[in-house]
Amino acid sequence: SQTIHQWPATLVQPVGSPLSLECTVEGTSNPNLYWYRQAAGRGLQLLFYSVGIGQISSEVPQNLSASRPQDRQFILSSKKLLLSDSGFYLCAWTEGTVYEQYFGPGTRLTVT
Amino acid sequence: LAKTTQPISMDSYEGQEVNITCSHNNIATNDYITWYQQFPSQGPRFIIQGYKTKVTNEVASLFIPADRKSSTLSLPRVSLSDTAVYYCLVVNGSYKLIFGSGTRLLVRP
Repeated sequence: SQTIHQWPATLVQPVGSPLSLECTVEGTSNPNLYWYRQAAGRGLQLLFYSVGIGQISSEVPQNLSASRPQDRQFILSSKKLLLSDSGFYLCAWTEGTVYEQYFGPGTRLTVT
Repeated sequence: LAKTTQPISMDSYEGQEVNITCSHNNIATNDYITWYQQFPSQGPRFIIQGYKTKVTNEVASLFIPADRKSSTLSLPRVSLSDTAVYYCLVVNGSYKLIFGSGTRLLVRP
């Protein structure tokens, strides 16, 4: 069966510090991978998605970036965090085109 | 992708049937309607998907009228554990899902 991991589960970082969040998927090959952010009490905002190694599509221009160094690994990064980067970050995967998407446990990021 | 509109919040009591309606006036011919459920501090979870008429699974039913401009998620006999945010999405087999703000369902004892 397929599983998706995210770490860390929680993170508190000062403004201006770098960020690296990691997501890995097990039990599938060539998944489509997604990063979402959810601000408190809000819906999900799609940040990036990837349909293959090295292929990243950005949905929202901001100080975040994503990389996919391996087939089942997706990384979200920032060089300098802003207060507005606080939120709940979710990684998700799907096979092929999207009808049913599977989400990871999430990382709660607080920028202070 | 068609935009969806759904109520911001709904209240219900245990044991009642809950119907959450979603409007998607600009739905295209090859679009499907999908519903997700999200509990606090968790990622959304797929509930049900349909194209037209009625779809039922062990969790919910989805009713889609002939014009497909709206859909209704029906949760039979809700319990406290059904308190969550429910998202209606229109999907067309592309690579993206666009989540709106969802409907916050509160089930009271």
